[in-house]
Amino acid sequence: ETGVTQSPTHLIKTRGQQVTLRCSSQSGHNTVSWYQQALGQGPQFIFQYYREEENGRGNFPPRFSGLQFPNYSSELNVNALELDDSALYLCASSLASGRGGNRAGELFFGEGSRLTVL
Amino acid sequence: DQQVKQNSPSLSVQEGRISILNCDYTNSMFDYFLWYKKYPAEGPTFLISISSIKDKNEDGRFTVFLNKSAKHLSLHIVPSQPGDSAVYFCAALRTDSWGKLQFGAGTQVVVTP
Repeated sequence: ETGVTQSPTHLIKTRGQQVTLRCSSQSGHNTVSWYQQALGQGPQFIFQYYREEENGRGNFPPRFSGLQFPNYSSELNVNALELDDSALYLCASSLASGRGGNRAGELFFGEGSRLTVL
Repeated sequence: DQQVKQNSPSLSVQEGRISILNCDYTNSMFDYFLWYKKYPAEGPTFLISISSIKDKNEDGRFTVFLNKSAKHLSLHIVPSQPGDSAVYFCAALRTDSWGKLQFGAGTQVVVTP
């Protein structure tokens, strides 16, 4: 069983640039969620994708966007980067709504992509 | 608007003793609560959860207690082991919003020999 993998692991961008982060979900999982973890804080929900459609969004501006592909992998895109976007971006996969014995809220996280905006 | 709060950023405990981690929440619509554990350079991993219809759930050395009237939950680790040294996140969920967890800021636990 392949776990959640994210790329790149680290990257540095400058203010105003755009970034794309990638995530391969765990085998058999059809739902992907993205979280932002700033230094010293807990992960904050950005959005979730289920069957290639956005299925809920947290309190993030529209310059944060995403995609889910037919193989359930996903991308997070951030446009017009700001200094405050510096954070660890975590991708998590799961099965939707309790199917397959998935416990409520049991997400499988990748190691994250560390973004630094200068 | 932080709906899940962990007020202790760190906890140091001796090996073999009990670790008690606390978490408070404000949103009464939450109906499922979880604890995640995170080692450096790894993603968080699920540890234990509890439904709002229960007040206690045990899994080996880990027990979670829920006090709905106080909007408070706690995680007990007995006995604590050096491998338990990690950051522990409390999270809350509305089960009609699957996968959209609200996390606390985390508690760094250090277990000393």
